[in-house]
Amino acid sequence: QKEVEQDPGPLSVPEGAIVSLNCTYSNSAFQYFMWYRQYSRKGPELLMYTYSSGNKEDGRFTAQVDKSSKYISLFIRDSQPSDSATYLCAMRRAGGSEKLVFGKGMKLTVNP
Amino acid sequence: GAGVSQTPSNKVTEKGKYVELRCDPISGHTALYWYRQSLGQGPEFLIYFQGTGAADDSGLPNDRFFAVRPEGSVSTLKIQRTERGDSAVYLCASSLMASGGLTDTQYFGPGTRLTVL
Repeated sequence: QKEVEQDPGPLSVPEGAIVSLNCTYSNSAFQYFMWYRQYSRKGPELLMYTYSSGNKEDGRFTAQVDKSSKYISLFIRDSQPSDSATYLCAMRRAGGSEKLVFGKGMKLTVNP
Repeated sequence: GAGVSQTPSNKVTEKGKYVELRCDPISGHTALYWYRQSLGQGPEFLIYFQGTGAADDSGLPNDRFFAVRPEGSVSTLKIQRTERGDSAVYLCASSLMASGGLTDTQYFGPGTRLTVL
């Protein structure tokens, strides 16, 4: 079993839809949780960064972390064609030098 | 300001050859990471530098892979005797400092797409 599991999709939705992306993990030592967006042939770009459990909102994006269930989510409201990309969850343990452990990435297409 | 840059953007080589991939981190970032991303997969950690020294090289797959950061800024990932299985996108990331807080946010470059024929 991989440390981080993410449904790779693909997922196709109409413009304006609410999108829900999820990851589960097995390592209870993970403390920092991130969502990256990756456009085709580009590097990952940080979208959301959350420490420990709870919710964080930034514009149309909301990140949720449930450490008791080892489950994280990213919600995208009013999705736009420009949101079409691969979304990667990533996490790491506490401590300054820790590597990121990524999910496989979910390919999202928002159709106009 | 300028982000992380990587050169070349694409590299095609033949099996058995030696390649070098370069990463220029964001100015002032002390931490530098290398990851490898195979098709349809998330990035996988290779090695991490804090300053000039490799603090964690546990992700390097074998002794054909080596990385240096001699002056604590630019880093080079070196692959000897390349194999077809080495074909992937090699990503570099940098962060301001390894303190465990938000300053540890890793910013990624565009990657080098390596193809081994």
